[in-house]
Amino acid sequence: GENVEQHPSTLSVQEGDSAVIKCTYSDSASNYFPWYKQELGKGPQLIIDIRSNVGEKKDQRIAVTLNKTAKHFSLHITETQPEDSAVYFCAAMSSSGYSTLTFGKGTMLLVSP
Amino acid sequence: DVKVTQSSRYLVKRTGEKVFLECVQDMDHENMFWYRQDPGLGLRLIYFSYDVKMKEKGDIPEGYSVSREKKERFSLILESASTNQTSMYLCASRGTGKRPEAFFGQGTRLTVV
Repeated sequence: GENVEQHPSTLSVQEGDSAVIKCTYSDSASNYFPWYKQELGKGPQLIIDIRSNVGEKKDQRIAVTLNKTAKHFSLHITETQPEDSAVYFCAAMSSSGYSTLTFGKGTMLLVSP
Repeated sequence: DVKVTQSSRYLVKRTGEKVFLECVQDMDHENMFWYRQDPGLGLRLIYFSYDVKMKEKGDIPEGYSVSREKKERFSLILESASTNQTSMYLCASRGTGKRPEAFFGQGTRLTVV
């Protein structure tokens, strides 16, 4: 089955800096890669996603890149703000079988004012 | 907006009790999922359902069962709760075809004493 590795597990940045979280996946049949943000006491919320026919996608301060050959994808947050502090999860979904999401273990991002 | 609602935010149950966690979605999604979230382990799939009365085991089904009698409702059942089932439980739903986005409920924090 699919295996998703996520790094780093924790990330501390100063407000205004950029933050990058990286994930690798194992199943070459995976074709959908969402990113979720989870604030304390809440369920994960979808913030951006990318499909395998696209190399990059951007939405305001966040962007995701995908390298299918290397089987890795990354989340980029620019001009970080304290409200970006949360746990971020990457996931991959295979096009084979039942198409379930496999998640990375998460990255706790702390943005200091 | 998609809404996934879990019946309880917090539950405290005794060892050996039968526990029901309920989840309802309002987007007519075919697929529903139960995940368990533990620190350092990320989100792990317990069970999922791709249609009414259909269910499939995820990665960690032991000690759990599920029920899907109606399309909008997916229940997770702990037949005999144990302390190692103390965790955050997250329900999610997803459509099929061109809309693969999965949406989560707010989570149920279960403590078994």
